[in-house]
Amino acid sequence: QQQVKQSPQSLIVQKGGISIINCAYENTAFDYFPWYQQFPGKGPALLIAIRPDVSEKKEGRFTISFNKSAKQFSLHIMDSQPGDSATYFCAATLTSGTYKYIFGTGTRLKVLA
Amino acid sequence: ETGVTQSPTHLIKTRGQQVTLRCSSQSGHNTVSWYQQALGQGPQFIFQYYREEENGRGNFPPRFSGLQFPNYSSELNVNALELDDSALYLCASSLGTGRITEAFFGQGTRLTVV
Repeated sequence: QQQVKQSPQSLIVQKGGISIINCAYENTAFDYFPWYQQFPGKGPALLIAIRPDVSEKKEGRFTISFNKSAKQFSLHIMDSQPGDSATYFCAATLTSGTYKYIFGTGTRLKVLA
Repeated sequence: ETGVTQSPTHLIKTRGQQVTLRCSSQSGHNTVSWYQQALGQGPQFIFQYYREEENGRGNFPPRFSGLQFPNYSSELNVNALELDDSALYLCASSLGTGRITEAFFGQGTRLTVV
């Protein structure tokens, strides 16, 4: 019940295209869903996050879509750039008590120039 | 840069040895969480410290222990190292105020156990 399933495992997109990464969670008590970007040899960096009271959040080229009834959320990267090539992790947590993040297994994105 | 610094950046230890990893949290943050990230996997929660007290623990054996200091910096100690302990160890700091705030990660410590 604590799992967050992420797909695809890897993704190749042409420059200027749209990258879409999907995550599904099981625990309906989760109420905070961040996305992290990680470059090789670096720690994860917070990209964008959403709470379940909204269905979409947009920050620049990055958009989170959230479907509470389906227990799914996704990251859309518009106008993908080679500099976006990295591993992306979705995560979920409870905002009460110990808010440990449950991470997905990651998606390795490669944007071709 | 997140303002979260970890040391050392790389470390090689022999099976059975003990290791201490260090984390300086972002200024103003009173909560530190530690994660283990195996190669090709997502980070796994080890434990969290809030105002110098352990505030939750993941599914890790007792040989993984921690400490948080009055300045909110933190240490992760691992005893009796095993080969499977080889991983990137990440520290994340946040401001625990009873409501969720963003967690900012350090660059990690790459531990190799041989």
